[in-house]
Amino acid sequence: RKEVEQDPGPFNVPEGATVAFNCTYSNSASQSFFWYRQDCRKEPKLLMSVYSSGNEDGRFTAQLNRASQYISLLIRDSKLSDSATYLCVVMNAGGTSYGKLTFGQGTILTVHP
Amino acid sequence: DAGITQSPRHKVTETGTPVTLRCHQTENHRYMYWYRQDPGHGLRLIHYSYGVKDTDKGEVSDGYSVSRSKTEDFLLTLESATSSQTSVYFCAISESGPGQGYSNQPQHFGDGTRLSIL
Repeated sequence: RKEVEQDPGPFNVPEGATVAFNCTYSNSASQSFFWYRQDCRKEPKLLMSVYSSGNEDGRFTAQLNRASQYISLLIRDSKLSDSATYLCVVMNAGGTSYGKLTFGQGTILTVHP
Repeated sequence: DAGITQSPRHKVTETGTPVTLRCHQTENHRYMYWYRQDPGHGLRLIHYSYGVKDTDKGEVSDGYSVSRSKTEDFLLTLESATSSQTSVYFCAISESGPGQGYSNQPQHFGDGTRLSIL
Protein backbone atom coordinates (compact mmCIF):
# COMPACT_ATOMS: atom_id res chain seq x y z
CA ARG A 1 0.00 0.00 0.00
CA LYS A 2 1.34 3.43 -0.89
CA GLU A 3 1.89 5.81 2.00
CA VAL A 4 -0.25 8.49 0.36
CA GLU A 5 -2.83 7.60 -2.26
CA GLN A 6 -4.87 9.84 -4.48
CA ASP A 7 -7.27 9.24 -7.31
CA PRO A 8 -5.19 10.42 -10.29
CA GLY A 9 -8.29 11.52 -12.23
CA PRO A 10 -8.43 13.33 -14.51
CA PHE A 11 -11.42 15.24 -13.30
CA ASN A 12 -13.04 17.24 -16.07
CA VAL A 13 -15.61 19.74 -14.82
CA PRO A 14 -17.39 22.81 -16.22
CA GLU A 15 -16.82 26.26 -14.85
CA GLY A 16 -18.86 26.87 -11.74
CA ALA A 17 -18.93 23.22 -10.70
CA THR A 18 -18.03 21.90 -7.27
CA VAL A 19 -15.38 19.21 -7.22
CA ALA A 20 -13.91 17.17 -4.37
CA PHE A 21 -10.68 15.22 -4.09
CA ASN A 22 -9.87 12.62 -1.48
CA CYS A 23 -6.55 11.33 -0.29
CA THR A 24 -5.74 8.47 2.08
CA TYR A 25 -2.60 8.00 4.14
CA SER A 26 -1.23 4.88 5.79
CA ASN A 27 0.66 6.21 8.81
CA SER A 28 -1.82 6.84 11.59
CA ALA A 29 0.80 8.86 13.49
CA SER A 30 1.13 11.48 10.74
CA GLN A 31 0.80 14.95 12.15
CA SER A 32 0.62 17.57 9.47
CA PHE A 33 -1.16 17.65 6.16
CA PHE A 34 -1.11 19.95 3.15
CA TRP A 35 -2.57 20.42 -0.27
CA TYR A 36 -0.22 21.69 -2.96
CA ARG A 37 -1.09 22.78 -6.45
CA GLN A 38 1.19 22.15 -9.43
CA ASP A 39 0.66 23.71 -12.81
CA CYS A 40 2.04 22.02 -15.91
CA ARG A 41 5.84 22.21 -16.01
CA LYS A 42 5.92 24.34 -12.86
CA GLU A 43 6.91 23.82 -9.25
CA PRO A 44 4.47 22.67 -6.55
CA LYS A 45 2.98 25.57 -4.62
CA LEU A 46 1.35 25.39 -1.23
CA LEU A 47 -2.40 25.73 -1.56
CA MET A 48 -3.35 25.25 2.07
CA SER A 49 -2.54 23.43 5.24
CA VAL A 50 -5.15 21.03 6.60
CA TYR A 51 -6.16 21.44 10.22
CA SER A 52 -7.95 18.95 12.44
CA SER A 53 -11.06 21.09 12.66
CA GLY A 54 -11.18 21.65 8.92
CA ASN A 55 -10.40 24.96 7.30
CA GLU A 56 -11.56 27.14 4.48
CA ASP A 57 -9.79 29.61 2.24
CA GLY A 58 -12.18 31.32 -0.13
CA ARG A 59 -13.56 28.70 -2.51
CA PHE A 60 -11.35 25.97 -1.07
CA THR A 61 -12.22 23.80 1.92
CA ALA A 62 -9.94 21.17 3.43
CA GLN A 63 -11.06 18.44 5.82
CA LEU A 64 -9.15 15.89 7.87
CA ASN A 65 -10.59 12.62 9.14
CA ARG A 66 -8.00 11.04 11.41
CA ALA A 67 -10.12 8.01 12.26
CA SER A 68 -10.40 7.02 8.60
CA GLN A 69 -7.01 8.46 7.68
CA TYR A 70 -8.09 10.60 4.81
CA ILE A 71 -8.06 14.23 3.86
CA SER A 72 -10.19 15.99 1.33
CA LEU A 73 -10.17 19.16 -0.74
CA LEU A 74 -13.38 20.76 -1.95
CA ILE A 75 -13.33 23.42 -4.64
CA ARG A 76 -16.50 25.44 -5.12
CA ASP A 77 -17.40 27.56 -8.13
CA SER A 78 -14.53 26.18 -10.22
CA LYS A 79 -12.60 28.60 -12.40
CA LEU A 80 -10.61 27.91 -15.55
CA SER A 81 -7.54 28.93 -13.58
CA ASP A 82 -8.11 26.08 -11.12
CA SER A 83 -6.95 23.62 -13.79
CA ALA A 84 -3.85 21.98 -12.33
CA THR A 85 -2.60 18.91 -10.53
CA TYR A 86 -3.43 18.84 -6.83
CA LEU A 87 -0.95 17.08 -4.57
CA CYS A 88 -1.87 15.60 -1.22
CA VAL A 89 1.09 15.86 1.16
CA VAL A 90 1.55 14.21 4.54
CA MET A 91 4.25 14.98 7.07
CA ASN A 92 5.67 11.82 8.57
CA ALA A 93 5.79 11.22 12.27
CA GLY A 94 8.08 8.99 14.22
CA GLY A 95 11.52 7.53 13.79
CA THR A 96 14.04 8.79 11.28
CA SER A 97 11.33 9.96 8.92
CA TYR A 98 9.96 12.48 11.40
CA GLY A 99 9.19 15.74 9.67
CA LYS A 100 9.72 14.47 6.13
CA LEU A 101 7.02 14.98 3.55
CA THR A 102 5.41 12.20 1.55
CA PHE A 103 3.67 13.29 -1.63
CA GLY A 104 0.77 11.69 -3.37
CA GLN A 105 1.04 11.34 -7.12
CA GLY A 106 -1.52 14.06 -7.66
CA THR A 107 -5.03 14.48 -9.00
CA ILE A 108 -5.42 16.20 -12.34
CA LEU A 109 -8.21 18.75 -12.61
CA THR A 110 -9.32 20.33 -15.86
CA VAL A 111 -11.99 23.03 -15.74
CA HIS A 112 -13.59 23.74 -19.11
CA PRO A 113 -15.81 26.60 -20.30
CA ASP B 1 7.17 33.69 -3.95
CA ALA B 2 9.87 32.21 -1.75
CA GLY B 3 13.34 33.40 -2.67
CA ILE B 4 14.65 30.19 -4.20
CA THR B 5 16.72 30.06 -7.36
CA GLN B 6 17.74 26.86 -9.09
CA SER B 7 20.43 26.64 -11.73
CA PRO B 8 20.65 25.59 -14.43
CA ARG B 9 16.98 25.48 -15.41
CA HIS B 10 17.64 23.00 -18.20
CA LYS B 11 20.56 20.71 -18.92
CA VAL B 12 21.28 17.96 -21.41
CA THR B 13 24.34 15.84 -20.87
CA GLU B 14 25.77 12.43 -21.62
CA THR B 15 25.91 9.27 -19.54
CA GLY B 16 28.97 9.12 -17.34
CA THR B 17 29.54 12.85 -17.02
CA PRO B 18 29.41 14.66 -13.68
CA VAL B 19 26.55 17.08 -13.12
CA THR B 20 26.02 19.64 -10.37
CA LEU B 21 22.76 21.42 -9.71
CA ARG B 22 22.63 24.49 -7.50
CA CYS B 23 19.93 25.77 -5.20
CA HIS B 24 20.23 29.26 -3.73
CA GLN B 25 17.86 30.75 -1.15
CA THR B 26 17.52 34.25 0.26
CA GLU B 27 15.14 33.31 3.12
CA ASN B 28 17.80 32.17 5.61
CA HIS B 29 15.83 28.96 6.19
CA ARG B 30 17.60 26.21 8.06
CA TYR B 31 16.29 23.29 6.00
CA MET B 32 16.91 22.64 2.32
CA TYR B 33 15.85 19.64 0.24
CA TRP B 34 16.40 18.05 -3.13
CA TYR B 35 13.57 16.11 -4.76
CA ARG B 36 13.13 14.42 -8.09
CA GLN B 37 9.79 14.14 -9.85
CA ASP B 38 9.03 11.37 -12.30
CA PRO B 39 5.80 10.18 -13.89
CA GLY B 40 4.15 7.52 -11.78
CA HIS B 41 6.28 8.27 -8.73
CA GLY B 42 5.42 11.77 -7.64
CA LEU B 43 8.00 13.76 -5.73
CA ARG B 44 10.69 11.74 -3.96
CA LEU B 45 13.25 13.05 -1.52
CA ILE B 46 16.90 12.60 -2.53
CA HIS B 47 18.81 14.37 0.26
CA TYR B 48 18.16 17.16 2.67
CA SER B 49 20.20 19.51 4.84
CA TYR B 50 19.46 20.81 8.33
CA GLY B 51 22.35 23.24 8.51
CA VAL B 52 25.76 24.10 7.12
CA LYS B 53 27.65 20.86 6.53
CA ASP B 54 24.73 18.87 7.99
CA THR B 55 23.01 16.60 5.50
CA ASP B 56 21.06 13.35 5.49
CA LYS B 57 19.74 10.87 2.95
CA GLY B 58 16.25 10.65 1.58
CA GLU B 59 14.51 7.69 0.00
CA VAL B 60 16.32 7.79 -3.38
CA SER B 61 19.84 8.92 -2.48
CA ASP B 62 21.88 6.32 -4.41
CA GLY B 63 23.98 7.94 -7.12
CA TYR B 64 23.66 11.43 -5.62
CA SER B 65 25.74 13.49 -3.23
CA VAL B 66 25.09 16.90 -1.70
CA SER B 67 26.99 19.67 -0.05
CA ARG B 68 26.07 22.74 1.92
CA SER B 69 28.97 25.05 2.68
CA LYS B 70 26.79 28.13 3.23
CA THR B 71 23.29 28.56 4.60
CA GLU B 72 22.04 29.89 1.30
CA ASP B 73 23.46 27.26 -1.07
CA PHE B 74 22.69 23.56 -1.42
CA LEU B 75 24.38 21.62 -4.22
CA LEU B 76 23.29 18.31 -5.71
CA THR B 77 25.93 16.31 -7.58
CA LEU B 78 25.57 13.33 -9.87
CA GLU B 79 29.10 11.98 -9.92
CA SER B 80 28.54 9.87 -13.03
CA ALA B 81 25.16 10.53 -14.55
CA THR B 82 22.99 7.66 -15.79
CA SER B 83 19.93 7.70 -18.00
CA SER B 84 17.77 6.70 -15.02
CA GLN B 85 18.59 10.05 -13.48
CA THR B 86 16.79 11.90 -16.24
CA SER B 87 14.17 13.77 -14.28
CA VAL B 88 12.89 17.10 -13.05
CA TYR B 89 14.74 18.15 -9.91
CA PHE B 90 13.22 20.48 -7.36
CA CYS B 91 14.86 22.23 -4.47
CA ALA B 92 12.74 23.13 -1.45
CA ILE B 93 13.26 25.06 1.78
CA SER B 94 11.54 25.21 5.15
CA GLU B 95 12.04 26.90 8.49
CA SER B 96 11.67 23.70 10.49
CA GLY B 97 11.98 20.12 9.43
CA PRO B 98 12.94 16.50 10.09
CA GLY B 99 14.06 15.67 13.60
CA GLN B 100 12.67 18.72 15.33
CA GLY B 101 10.15 18.49 18.11
CA TYR B 102 7.57 20.27 15.99
CA SER B 103 7.55 20.17 12.22
CA ASN B 104 4.40 21.59 10.79
CA GLN B 105 6.06 24.13 8.54
CA PRO B 106 5.37 23.48 4.86
CA GLN B 107 8.12 23.45 2.28
CA HIS B 108 8.44 25.94 -0.55
CA PHE B 109 9.84 24.93 -3.90
CA GLY B 110 12.13 26.39 -6.51
CA ASP B 111 11.27 26.46 -10.21
CA GLY B 112 12.95 23.15 -10.95
CA THR B 113 15.74 21.88 -13.20
CA ARG B 114 14.94 19.68 -16.18
CA LEU B 115 17.84 17.26 -16.59
CA SER B 116 18.16 14.94 -19.56
CA ILE B 117 20.91 12.33 -19.67
CA LEU B 118 21.46 10.74 -23.04
